[in-house]
Amino acid sequence: GQQLNQSPQSMFIQEGEDVSMNCTSSSIFNTWLWYKQDPGEGPVLLIALYKAGELTSNGRLTAQFGITRKDSFLNISASIPSDVGIYFCAGHGGNQFYFGTGTSLTVIP
Amino acid sequence: EAGVAQSPRYKIIEKRQSVAFWCNPISGHATLYWYQQILGQGPKLLIQFQNNGVVDDSQLPKDRFSAERLKGVDSTLKIQPAKLEDSAVYLCASSWAGGQHYGYTFGSGTRLTVV
Repeated sequence: GQQLNQSPQSMFIQEGEDVSMNCTSSSIFNTWLWYKQDPGEGPVLLIALYKAGELTSNGRLTAQFGITRKDSFLNISASIPSDVGIYFCAGHGGNQFYFGTGTSLTVIP
Repeated sequence: EAGVAQSPRYKIIEKRQSVAFWCNPISGHATLYWYQQILGQGPKLLIQFQNNGVVDDSQLPKDRFSAERLKGVDSTLKIQPAKLEDSAVYLCASSWAGGQHYGYTFGSGTRLTVV
């Protein structure tokens, strides 16, 4: 299957700081999604991106579809404690979404 | 709208036993997916249904895993016999046909522990 690598693997930040994470693939994707997963729950869709270069926001979250179509980026501004969780990217290839390895975010109050 | 329902939430079984998971997708969603999420990893697709037909089961270990979606609504995933390495969270997701454009909605998952 496709390999999507996310970095960093984990982050520990102070409340109020901004966060940046990225996702890279060896394959081109036509759609990128970003999900957040809380402990014991399924992933929840945050942002969807459909076009290379597209920049989309959802509240304090902003994501970009990389120009090469092999990467995507997620930024969280002014982090709050409820931002804690694991963030997954997903790229659509063939007839399915492939998920990244995840970035674990810890926000210290 | 009601979300994707899964049961049970947790299951502990001994190796070589059998287990079954159930999923009820969002009403009207034609496509249903079963994913396996091993601790510390992202979800991996096991099988995809479009209505009651299988679209992709290339990553399903068919010697021990089986899934069905009768009447194109509910689905069950079965493991028989279970191995230690099957310990994982099994996530069910659903989407409108053409899930590429809308993303998937996931259930809360079933956490399976094989001892």
